[in-house]
Amino acid sequence: AQSVTQLDSHVSVSEGTPVLLRCNYSSSYSPSLFWYVQHPNKGLQLLLKYTSAATLVKGINGFEAEFKKSETSFHLTKPSAHMSDAAEYFCVVSGYSSASKIIFGSGTRLSIRP
Amino acid sequence: DGGITQSPKYLFRKEGQNVTLSCEQNLNHDAMYWYRQDPGQGLRLIYYSQIVNDFQKGDIAEGYSVSREKKESFPLTVTSAQKNPTAFYLCASTGRGRVAGGTDTQYFGPGTRLTVL
Repeated sequence: AQSVTQLDSHVSVSEGTPVLLRCNYSSSYSPSLFWYVQHPNKGLQLLLKYTSAATLVKGINGFEAEFKKSETSFHLTKPSAHMSDAAEYFCVVSGYSSASKIIFGSGTRLSIRP
Repeated sequence: DGGITQSPKYLFRKEGQNVTLSCEQNLNHDAMYWYRQDPGQGLRLIYYSQIVNDFQKGDIAEGYSVSREKKESFPLTVTSAQKNPTAFYLCASTGRGRVAGGTDTQYFGPGTRLTVL
């Protein structure tokens, strides 16, 4: 069975400060993990994905995430927040079995203060 | 440009009416998915299709129906049996169907916002 938990429903940071969005997962198999971003009334855009290669994954717009198997975490970070980063972020887990499902976290809303 | 298109962007429905949401992809993807998103919530899977002429119920299929007659098209019908249809609907596709095993990145359309009047 698989599950994903986004630990914060809302995160607020000042522009220019670091961003940390937390995600923990549970998977019986070696998982694939994704982060998506959604701006208001838009579809989801892929930020980055982990598929058992390098544990530190670099994505678009300066975001990166580190897969930590011992902590079952896949937190999303960015060194310096920009106003355009304000959006909803989703952590997604999927197993490598044809029977496994794609599971979405409940989302974290990121707000950026000027 | 390859991608997924959904239409219409906004849709209004009277109670008791069936409506159909369009989803088309030109990515040559085998698998397609429909999700529902409610305010402040994540995505919930309605239906998915791994291959033409085949589809499976997701977690919240009641009150919805789909068809997959062509690889590039996966329309979703919201029927009058769906008690609370007002939501944002997202269509997605992946390159490999689940039957083939393995995972692949989901690509999403821009969404359709359905409002019941």
